[in-house]
Amino acid sequence: KQEVTQIPAALSVPEGENLVLNCSFTDSAIYNLQWFRQDPGKGLTSLLLIQSSQREQTSGRLNASLDKSSGRSTLYIAASQPGDSATYLCAVRPVAGAGSYQLTFGKGTKLSVIP
Amino acid sequence: EPEVTQTPSHQVTQMGQEVILRCVPISNHLYFYWYRQILGQKVEFLVSFYNNEISEKSEIFDDQFSVERPDGSNFTLKIRSTKLEDSAMYFCASSETGSGGYEQYFGPGTRLTVT
Repeated sequence: KQEVTQIPAALSVPEGENLVLNCSFTDSAIYNLQWFRQDPGKGLTSLLLIQSSQREQTSGRLNASLDKSSGRSTLYIAASQPGDSATYLCAVRPVAGAGSYQLTFGKGTKLSVIP
Repeated sequence: EPEVTQTPSHQVTQMGQEVILRCVPISNHLYFYWYRQILGQKVEFLVSFYNNEISEKSEIFDDQFSVERPDGSNFTLKIRSTKLEDSAMYFCASSETGSGGYEQYFGPGTRLTVT
């Protein structure tokens, strides 16, 4: 059974700092990995999707990398801003077959960017 | 920008009552999902739905749960006889296709409180 772990559970940084959030997964047979942002009491906003064949994806100040063989992904946020404060979730989707539609989520990293 | 919408935003019900949570997926999407998040825990997959039938369901999705696409726009989750442990945030999601290249887009959620 796939398990997704995100460390640290919480992170506090001063504004302007670059930071890295980590995600690890136990089964490397994934189709893709998706990073989400969740604001308190709100829904999930998709940030980036990385296919299993890709090494990284970029969107603005965000860069996500994937090392499928080692079961790891990182989300790099450049020049952090107070508006980046949220919980960041990663989720993996297995290869085609049973369970192939469902995303398995980590518990998230709660990021606080201090002005 | 198209988005997934959900109603109501908050539902309070008594144990044993039936509830229906409603979702309007993005209009050209073909795959629909329900997830839930118990307070402080991971987001968990419940069910996926395509072509008017369930594609996949988790162990959580027992006989008390059902899904339906009653018309061309709505997608509903029904819980027949709610239990205290059904209290959670319920998220609807949709994707353009079921293949791995497409992101799942989530709605803002319905907070269900069972008393």
